[in-house]
Amino acid sequence: DTGVSQNPRHKITKRGQNVTFRCDPISEHNRLYWYRQTLGQGPEFLTYFQNEAQLEKSRLLSDRFSAERPKGSFSTLEIQRTEQGDSAMYLCASSLGASSGGSSSYNEQFFGPGTRLTVL
Amino acid sequence: GENVEQHPSTLSVQEGDSAVIKCTYSDSASNYFPWYKQELGKGPQLIIDIRSNVGEKKDQRIAVTLNKTAKHFSLHITETQPEDSAVYFCAARKNKLIFGTGTRLQVFP
Repeated sequence: DTGVSQNPRHKITKRGQNVTFRCDPISEHNRLYWYRQTLGQGPEFLTYFQNEAQLEKSRLLSDRFSAERPKGSFSTLEIQRTEQGDSAMYLCASSLGASSGGSSSYNEQFFGPGTRLTVL
Repeated sequence: GENVEQHPSTLSVQEGDSAVIKCTYSDSASNYFPWYKQELGKGPQLIIDIRSNVGEKKDQRIAVTLNKTAKHFSLHITETQPEDSAVYFCAARKNKLIFGTGTRLQVFP
């Protein structure tokens, strides 16, 4: 399968615990995005990477959230001290993009199946 | 801030009829407008997109129109089929994608 993959698909945790999600993008894509989607809403942008550099973070990304893409391939999203309000679907997407700075690329973002997080 | 409004939230049509979903965006600098289809338990899948220098684009039964002056764009699905049933999201982008709240489309046989 050459699409975007995410693991785990489902995670149930108790409030206060830390969780980590993984995203494997399409291999030749240099851009990787994280979104959060709550029930009945569209995806909300959290952050994105170009190669290993984290270029933008949303105000939604509190200091309990951290994302990494250490080698410019897979990415992890960690949530520390989870709260019930963190319950959502966490989506990852990847795309081709400009390898240097400047205007954004129009290239299509391919989404993974998401990780559904439930915080009890 | 940047905002995308989407209507209707639910839409039910008979198989073979047309379906239209409308979106309005707030940031006049937005220059790319994709539409995504999301089925239960899956991530969004791009079905069609349009750039700000184009007014209309068609791909088989699906078409998108863009009115930059009014900051409106619409998705048109003709000859709907039961497998078109899903949630559809519009989005607008200047630097990052801002999604609408989605339209649940049900196509009845």
